[in-house]
Amino acid sequence: EAGVVQSPRYKIIEKKQPVAFWCNPISGHNTLYWYRQNLGQGPELLIRYENEEAVDDSQLPKDRFSAERLKGVDSTLKIQPAELGDSAVYLCASSPRDRTDTQYFGPGTRLTVL
Amino acid sequence: QKEVEQDPGPLSVPEGAIVSLNCTYSNSAFQYFMWYRQYSRKGPELLMYTYSSGNKEDGRFTAQVDKSSKYISLFIRDSQPSDSATYLCAMRFTGGGNKLTFGTGTQLKVEL
Repeated sequence: EAGVVQSPRYKIIEKKQPVAFWCNPISGHNTLYWYRQNLGQGPELLIRYENEEAVDDSQLPKDRFSAERLKGVDSTLKIQPAELGDSAVYLCASSPRDRTDTQYFGPGTRLTVL
Repeated sequence: QKEVEQDPGPLSVPEGAIVSLNCTYSNSAFQYFMWYRQYSRKGPELLMYTYSSGNKEDGRFTAQVDKSSKYISLFIRDSQPSDSATYLCAMRFTGGGNKLTFGTGTQLKVEL
């Protein structure tokens, strides 16, 4: 079974530039999560999708962050414009409908904003 | 004060040692407790999952939850160099949409 796929793995951009991250969850997993993990910290939830619906986006900084999950499969997280403080690892996770307590994480995208 | 506190380490132990990793938390509403292992440049992977108080054992790993003290532990017996990683505790409320609150992680190094 393929795991959660994320791309790119690394991204370096100048501040004020836009950036997008892509996630392909495990096949059949209807719940998808985006987390941000700052250096030396645990992951913090940004947004959770149930199928194509964003059911918890309370921690997403909506002035510059946006996300979508068209057709309830792949998802994209975008930052526009990026700020220095956005440098972090962005993790995507998914879980199946019948085992929602088990979250499977992707390898993450390491973002550096210069 | 953070909801979940975890000593960041690093913790260095010799191969074969028993490792004890701990987290404390402040919100008594947490009911589900998890331990994740995260290797460098990788995403976290679930190691142990427990509900409410008690112990759970899986191979060399034992998870303990003491809700009265708001304290959880992960014990690793016969530690191996392959156990070198960052260990994150996580917890959530009943309901709450599976939103996990993570500790900061403890970096463990098992030396030959």
